[in-house]
Amino acid sequence: SHEVTQPPSVSVSPGQTARITCSGDSVSKQYAYWYQQKPGQAPVLVIYKDRERPSGIPERFSGSGSGTTVTLTITGVQAEDEAVYYCQSADSTSTYVIFGGGTKLTVL
Amino acid sequence: QVQLLESGGGVVQPGRSLRLSCAVSGITLSRYGIHWVRQAPGKGLEWVGVVLYDGEIKYSAASVKGRFAISRDESKNTVFLQLNSLTTEDTAVYYCGRGDTPISGWNTGVDWWGQGTLVTVSS
Repeated sequence: SHEVTQPPSVSVSPGQTARITCSGDSVSKQYAYWYQQKPGQAPVLVIYKDRERPSGIPERFSGSGSGTTVTLTITGVQAEDEAVYYCQSADSTSTYVIFGGGTKLTVL
Repeated sequence: QVQLLESGGGVVQPGRSLRLSCAVSGITLSRYGIHWVRQAPGKGLEWVGVVLYDGEIKYSAASVKGRFAISRDESKNTVFLQLNSLTTEDTAVYYCGRGDTPISGWNTGVDWWGQGTLVTVSS
């Protein structure tokens, strides 16, 4: 499949846990990556290779996966986490890198 | 310090061409691939293509194959994206970014991003 699917939006209150899913055949075969993008800014990598966190990314960001779904979890959401989050995987059949449609995280 | 700086964007008429540049510093191009990703106004991220660490192997998305081409000048620490036969659907901010794993294939993430350059295709 050439697609990975994300929910368009997720809303949580400060201090709660946000979970953003990304589903598709490709995530069961290739690594998943997660990016945070705030308005007017370039994306920032927050999780790589399914569950690894780059240096400088807060520990409240974590990644996990099972089967054809991977999940970005933000534990103890803060107002500054409000952004659009994109997952990225790869389609090994076509040699395409593919992005999900993005999930708008709203901190209530 | 890793930095990527895109340039070359602007307003161009449909059917015309444009060449974007991605000047890198703090990156050894012979070790890392460079991806191009675009974002149409108000839309999500779309992968455009990648040039691998060897400078020879390149992959591109179906939507641009045959129209866009990636090249690299290692002596200038610069990667290029040649955009030909532009249509209004190519209007977007174009980002370049470093592949997150050295000496690897096309299926990497992007760990460092430039700030992007806007291409507007309009008559």
